[in-house]
Amino acid sequence: QVQLVESGGGVVQPGGSLRLSCAASGFTFSSYGMHWVRQAPGKGLEWVAFIRYDGSNKYYADSVKGRFTISRDNSKNTLYLQMNSLRAEDTAVYYCAKDRKIGGDQPRLLDYWGQGTLVTVSS
Amino acid sequence: AIQLTQSPSSLSASVGDRVTITCRASQGISSALAWYQQKPGKAPKLLIYDASSLESGVPSRFSGSGSGTDFTLTISSLQPEDFATYYCQQFNSYPRLTFGGGTKVEIK
Repeated sequence: QVQLVESGGGVVQPGGSLRLSCAASGFTFSSYGMHWVRQAPGKGLEWVAFIRYDGSNKYYADSVKGRFTISRDNSKNTLYLQMNSLRAEDTAVYYCAKDRKIGGDQPRLLDYWGQGTLVTVSS
Repeated sequence: AIQLTQSPSSLSASVGDRVTITCRASQGISSALAWYQQKPGKAPKLLIYDASSLESGVPSRFSGSGSGTDFTLTISSLQPEDFATYYCQQFNSYPRLTFGGGTKVEIK
């Protein structure tokens, strides 16, 4: 069965950096695009970033563009999110999610999600 | 950027009720819309894609309809396990996805 397990969350000061990881299993990781989605405490869902199955294309929400970098290591079945210049408004649970379409090169549907990892930006 | 407006933001209903949630897009998105269910402390779950296609394993009491700018999610007979927050999401305006603000379905 598909499993996505995020790690790397924690408390960081404003302006700091953090790298999230998402370990994938139960499917052919290298064949699917992957997403990061976040949810601030008590708020709705916000799409953050998408990476194509082979890592060749990456897309970002305007709110994180230039500060966050999505990447993947298909040999390790792992997705990453490098977060720099963190702000208080980046505080959220961060979910990794699998795109539904095999070989898709654009973000579309998120059919499996991890349990999320909490990032708190506070001094 | 395309905005999605869900209504109502919350509702109270009883087991067995028919529940309808609306999602309106700020511009036409064809049928590029999905619905997700999220229970407290859990990750969202995909229910409906392409506006009206039921994801595998999702009970048939869930249905979706609409195209263009106006969409609905209907639960034909609300069950205890359906109390949750529901989100719509568009994928017409890629490469950036957007979610609606959510509709919380509570027990009456």
